[in-house]
Amino acid sequence: KAGVTQTPRYLIKTRGQQVTLSCSPISGHRSVSWYQQTPGQGLQFLFEYFSETQRNKGNFPGRFSGRQFSNSRSEMNVSTLELGDSALYLCASSVASGSFNEQFFGPGTRLTVL
Amino acid sequence: LAKTTQPISMDSYEGQEVNITCSHNNIATNDYITWYQQFPSQGPRFIIQGYKTKVKNEVASLFIPADRKSSTLSLPRVSLSDTAVYYCLVGDGIGGYQKVTFGTGTKLQVIP
Repeated sequence: KAGVTQTPRYLIKTRGQQVTLSCSPISGHRSVSWYQQTPGQGLQFLFEYFSETQRNKGNFPGRFSGRQFSNSRSEMNVSTLELGDSALYLCASSVASGSFNEQFFGPGTRLTVL
Repeated sequence: LAKTTQPISMDSYEGQEVNITCSHNNIATNDYITWYQQFPSQGPRFIIQGYKTKVKNEVASLFIPADRKSSTLSLPRVSLSDTAVYYCLVGDGIGGYQKVTFGTGTKLQVIP
């Protein structure tokens, strides 16, 4: 069974630009969550999608948005990039939404904002 | 939100048993405790999950006392490949793990 895949793996952007990251969950998984990981803040939850609906949202500004398609694939968009958005963005999938489900993480997308 | 506290780092020699303790004083009745392992440039990987007492799998053991205000991840006979960051995570029952910050975790360095 293929794992969670994320594209692209690396991305370099400049301030003010926008970026779209993609995540393909494990086949059969309907929940996709996004996390931001930085050295100082650790892993922070961005949002979770389940059956094309946003179920949960973390404390991030509106510049961070996402969506999920009918095939469970998900995209995350960051507009008006800031230097502080440089981070590893991780996507995780699970069978269902909720705290008791094991999440499987992808390798992440390393975003660098110059 | 269920907040967790772990040691920032630990060192251990190969072959030793390693115990990493996590404090979660405000754990809720419905919360489970889960541990993840993360290697550099990779996403976290699920290790073990429990609710109370002891849980064991082929990789690790998880000890949870009766008050559930802490938990201890036990790694038997560690090897160099166990060098990683270990995160303790507690579900808050509403919105699940997704509402919880992983925090900075415990960086385990295994020494030959």
